[in-house]
Amino acid sequence: AQTVTQSQPEMSVQEAETVTLSCTYDTSENNYYLFWYKQPPSRQMILVIRQEAYKQQNATENRFSVNFQKAAKSFSLKISDSQLGDTAMYFCAFGRYKLVFGAGTILRVKS
Amino acid sequence: NAGVTQTPKFRVLKTGQSMTLLCAQDMNHEYMYWYRQDPGMGLRLIHYSVGEGTTAKGEVPDGYNVSRLKKQNFLLGLESAAPSQTSVYFCASSYSSVDLLTDTQYFGPGTRLTVL
Repeated sequence: AQTVTQSQPEMSVQEAETVTLSCTYDTSENNYYLFWYKQPPSRQMILVIRQEAYKQQNATENRFSVNFQKAAKSFSLKISDSQLGDTAMYFCAFGRYKLVFGAGTILRVKS
Repeated sequence: NAGVTQTPKFRVLKTGQSMTLLCAQDMNHEYMYWYRQDPGMGLRLIHYSVGEGTTAKGEVPDGYNVSRLKKQNFLLGLESAAPSQTSVYFCASSYSSVDLLTDTQYFGPGTRLTVL
């Protein structure tokens, strides 16, 4: 079975600092995409960043970057210069047209 | 361009009642999905559709039915609601071209359903 594990249920970070959210997954597939979604209190699911499994270069989107280790099946999210608006639940997911989601990590950014 | 919309946003049902959740997308996406979100469990796939007139079971399909009569709409039905179906339901859609690896799912705002 395909699974996603987010080992940190909750995390806190001071404004302007850097935080890394962990994600590991298990699959026998070779071609897939990996995603980080953000869910603020509004409940809307917002795509933060995605990574193609066949690409070795790590994806970056402004303050958000990933550390993708395919052999280790690890896909962590780094948020630099954290802002109060980054406070949200973050979900890691992978798959092709069907996604498998982790249980989420609640991130709180403190002023 | 509204993206993905869901109707209703909130609903309270009594055990045994039925209801239908409507998902609509205006992005001409081929694939559509229904998920449920429960505390501590992330999102779990209920049913999905890879095109008009097609449906398939996901991870947790029991107690739900779906229909995709029009490409832009995906309906989720509960024939006899149970308290275990109390959850937040999300619809999503994605574009499927010849290259399936480019898929990214776009989500609706969610529906909070409570079954008493």
